[in-house]
Amino acid sequence: EPEVTQTPSHQVTQMGQEVILRCVPISNHLYFYWYRQILGQKVEFLVSFYNNEISEKSEIFDDQFSVERPDGSNFTLKIRSTKLEDSAMYFCASTPGSGYTEAFFGQGTRLTVV
Amino acid sequence: AQSVTQPDIHITVSEGASLELRCNYSYGATPYLFWYVQSPGQGLQLLLKYFSGDTLVQGIKGFEAEFKRSQSSFNLRKPSVHWSDAAEYFCAVGGRGADGLTFGKGTHLIIQP
Repeated sequence: EPEVTQTPSHQVTQMGQEVILRCVPISNHLYFYWYRQILGQKVEFLVSFYNNEISEKSEIFDDQFSVERPDGSNFTLKIRSTKLEDSAMYFCASTPGSGYTEAFFGQGTRLTVV
Repeated sequence: AQSVTQPDIHITVSEGASLELRCNYSYGATPYLFWYVQSPGQGLQLLLKYFSGDTLVQGIKGFEAEFKRSQSSFNLRKPSVHWSDAAEYFCAVGGRGADGLTFGKGTHLIIQP
């Protein structure tokens, strides 16, 4: 069964450093998303991406965040200058098209900022 | 703005007993509703979804959920829980395409022997 894959599974970084989280969505999917889950809290929508541009973004997705689809398969989330409060599980997801179907989630990347 | 409320933070159920997890939503248009399950350290797995049609939907692992528009609810049920059902359960509401999902805070399900 096709799946969304994320790398790395766990990343530790120092405060102020840049991190790039990587995702490979399901190959024929058109919409891509990033979500964040701070430990013990709910999953929060960050951004959606369609046709090589951001479609929607939440208040959380400020100027320190950016997303990119550098090639035909990868979808990345960059955090420019990490803060302690960026420590969270980051989930990538994808959906097949504009008519809504369920989002398929990756296993997540646990980011720890020290 | 859309929102999801899961009023129960923790629920403890005996193995073999029935289960109902509550979910209420607020959404301005026709909602698309989902239940996801998250085992410790794992990602989110879709249990079931409601888009339209029959208001009682069946999912994986023996779960079902009923959409009640008049109550803005989408409660998850299982007639007999197994120890492996212990996990965090998230209800979510979404629209179309780019909107993304709005999740509830989750219900932590504990199964006691």
